[in-house]
Parts: sequence; C-alpha cells; structure tokens
Amino acid sequence: QVQLQESGPGLVKPSETLSLTCAVSGYSVSSGYYWGWIRQPPGKGLEWIGSLYHSGRTYYNPSLKSRVTISVDTSKNHFSLKVNSVIAADTAVYYCARGAYGDYYFDFWGQGTLVTVSS
Amino acid sequence: QSVLTQPPSVSGAPGQRVTISCTGSSSNIGAGYDVHWYQRLPGTAPKLLIYGSINRPSGVPDRFSGSKSGTSASLAITGLQADDEADYYCQSYDSSLSGWVFGGGTKLTVL
Repeated sequence: QVQLQESGPGLVKPSETLSLTCAVSGYSVSSGYYWGWIRQPPGKGLEWIGSLYHSGRTYYNPSLKSRVTISVDTSKNHFSLKVNSVIAADTAVYYCARGAYGDYYFDFWGQGTLVTVSS
Repeated sequence: QSVLTQPPSVSGAPGQRVTISCTGSSSNIGAGYDVHWYQRLPGTAPKLLIYGSINRPSGVPDRFSGSKSGTSASLAITGLQADDEADYYCQSYDSSLSGWVFGGGTKLTVL
C-alpha cells in the first residue's frame, strides 16, 4: 500500500521560504507515475500547486509558478516543495499526493500538514 | 475562484439520492478531459472516489456513481448514509492552464 507523509515547519514568517517534504513508502518515487502538491487555504477549496514526473519534468500552477519549486530525492524516496516569499494567503493545509499513471488524477494522498504564515 | 463550479452545499435524508454537479468549460471538461471526484471526511485527507468520470476504485461502494456530458459532470450518491457526510470535490485537467484544476467543493449534509 502506498503511503505518503508530509513534514515541515508549521509556522513560517512572511517573505521567508516554506519548505515541505513528502516521504513515500510502498512505492519508488523514481518509478512511473508522478507526484504532486495540493493545498487548501482555510475555508476555501483545493488548489493544485504543481506536479513532478519521474522524468524530472515539472508543471506548476501559473498563479504560483514564479515562487514554487518541486524536486525529488530518489535516495531518500521523497519529494519536496519550496514556496518563496510567502504571504499570509499561503496559509493552508498542504497535501502531497501520487498522480495516476497516464491520467490526470491523484490516487493516494498524505494526511496533510497545516502551514501558517505569520510573524 | 475555482475553475470548476460546484454548489456549495447539498443535503438529503438517509436512504435518499443526491447529486452534485461540476461545471467546467471548453478548455477542461468540454475538451474531453475526464472528471475525477474526491471525498474528504472531516479531519482526513481527500480520498479518490471516482476516476475517469465513471470508474470506482476498489473498495468504493456502488452507491457512488459518476457521469459526464458536455462541459459538466455529476456525482450521484444513492441510499444516503450518515457517514457519507463529507466535502466532495471534482477535478479535471485544463489545457489553457496546462494544469490540474479543482472545484470549490460541495458540503453534503445528511439530514
């Protein structure tokens, strides 16, 4: 069974960098499929942040593209998210997920981690 | 504002049937991209409920069904149960944005 677990600071100061890691078990991040980050601000819906394919190709939400980087560490079987120059509007529950092979949906999700942007 | 439009809330009594709509445009659902549905129970991560517009992952009861037509899709839940009370999200792919898009979510209340 594929399992994903997000980790990282729960509080980030405005203008700083948000960094999260998603540890994957039960599947190799270097095999097929792709990996994604999704977030949910308080009281709002889900927002796709970006996706990373096993080929290394990345796709980002145009509204966040200038501030976001998704990378993978195959030696640790995890992938990461960095959001630069955070503002209060970046406060959200951040989820990592596995994307389905050959299709555009996410079949396994992590439990999510709340990140608050505040001084 | 979400790219896909869902009603904020729906409700139904136990045993009844409810539907949740998801409206998109010519660059996502109308372009032929499938719609997928997720169920998020309180305090838990989203769970894949329907994929490829009409398919259920293993373990999802056949009380849940999906359909798609034109620029819209629907999720139907029959034989409503108390533990169906959750938030439901539709999702697709948008060619104009070159990315994955979600609906704003629909809160299902079982009366």
